[in-house]
Amino acid sequence: NAGVTQTPKFQVLKTGQSMTLQCAQDMNHNSMYWYRQDPGMGLRLIYYSASEGTTDKGEVPNGYNVSRLNKREFSLRLESAAPSQTSVYFCATIRGTTISTDTQYFGPGTRLTVL
Amino acid sequence: ILNVEQSPQSLHVQEGDSTNFTCSFPSSNFYALHWYRWETAKSPEALFVMTLNGDEKKKGRISATLNTKEGYSYLYIKGSQPEDSATYLCAEIDMRFGAGTRLTVKP
Repeated sequence: NAGVTQTPKFQVLKTGQSMTLQCAQDMNHNSMYWYRQDPGMGLRLIYYSASEGTTDKGEVPNGYNVSRLNKREFSLRLESAAPSQTSVYFCATIRGTTISTDTQYFGPGTRLTVL
Repeated sequence: ILNVEQSPQSLHVQEGDSTNFTCSFPSSNFYALHWYRWETAKSPEALFVMTLNGDEKKKGRISATLNTKEGYSYLYIKGSQPEDSATYLCAEIDMRFGAGTRLTVKP
């Protein structure tokens, strides 16, 4: 089992470029999450998907879009990258459909730099 | 408290010292508190999920307590080892994370 995988691991973009971060899980989990991690700020929730076909905004959704392609995959898209989106992005999953007492499992992260 | 707050921001201890740090969270509408351990260049890993007031959880030399009425949780590490060096994160029900406590254990 690979658990939660993310691609790419690293990416450098120029301002205004677009890209999609991919996340896939093989644990048959229902809910998937995208976070960004910035120094001194911990993890902040961008978007989440409680089940296939549903997505909801988190704390910092502006500038991002998501797609829950199927149960396994949850992608994060930056349509027009800005330097403020330079961050490390983590995907996470939980077994259930609501954030409760389930443990989150995190992917290895994608380090994105926007010049 | 409106957000999840952790203190101290960073901590340096000697090998063998015991240490503890705090997670404070809004005490209204409490459901669950999660603790994670995050080593540099790795992903956060779950330590504990705590739900009941007075809960105490233990994993090896690491333990945690929960006070939902006053809105705080303590994480304790007994006899710190260099491999305990990591950032310790807490998160409450809607996965609002604290900024973490970065622990460095010097040999």
